[in-house]
Amino acid sequence: GEDVEQSLFLSVREGDSSVINCTYTDSSSTYLYWYKQEPGAGLQLLTYIFSNMDMKQDQRLTVLLNKKDKHLSLRIADTQTGDSAIYFCARARQAGTALIFGKGTTLSVSS
Amino acid sequence: GAVVSQHPSRVICKSGTSVKIECRSLDFQATTMFWYRQFPKQSLMLMATSNEGSKATYEQGVEKDKFLINHASLTLSTLTVTSAHPEDSSFYICSAEDLFKSHEQYFGPGTRLTVT
Repeated sequence: GEDVEQSLFLSVREGDSSVINCTYTDSSSTYLYWYKQEPGAGLQLLTYIFSNMDMKQDQRLTVLLNKKDKHLSLRIADTQTGDSAIYFCARARQAGTALIFGKGTTLSVSS
Repeated sequence: GAVVSQHPSRVICKSGTSVKIECRSLDFQATTMFWYRQFPKQSLMLMATSNEGSKATYEQGVEKDKFLINHASLTLSTLTVTSAHPEDSSFYICSAEDLFKSHEQYFGPGTRLTVT
């Protein structure tokens, strides 16, 4: 299977919460990231979590990490139409190394 | 937040010509920059790791003589696609790692290369 896997699509209504899931295979990953990419644009770092953390919250974003299951999730509270984009999960084995990306989850928010 | 710029944002060139893409960290220093390639509706694939003052490290399958990388300063890395062919058409994205916060990587807006 792929090193980093994500579901490809998620559709939610405005105001609902979105949960984007990611699984990875390499347990030696020390940092895990979530990036957002809007059409034709580069990647925007949303948040990251260090592997010794279980949860990190930053305003509307909550990242949960289950290291035992190698599962990472991103919850977006009160999803807005402006949140429509592709969300990439990525991992790094250690600081200073290149990131390995999943294929991205396309989030579609309807009003 | 940290800003990485890329120039040009879009370029169209004829087959056989060379194209240079610049990646700059605007408000931080980056000893390491990464070059990725993204195909439509696909993930980013690492091409090479660029370290300031030394030779780039290329991923398996990436031709170093075709994709020339120069990282001459702590804020600038360049990727030159030499003798471009239509199959080189892609979205090229660079990222820069903050010298003082090495776990944070910031991405440029990308360069769309079309080779005719």
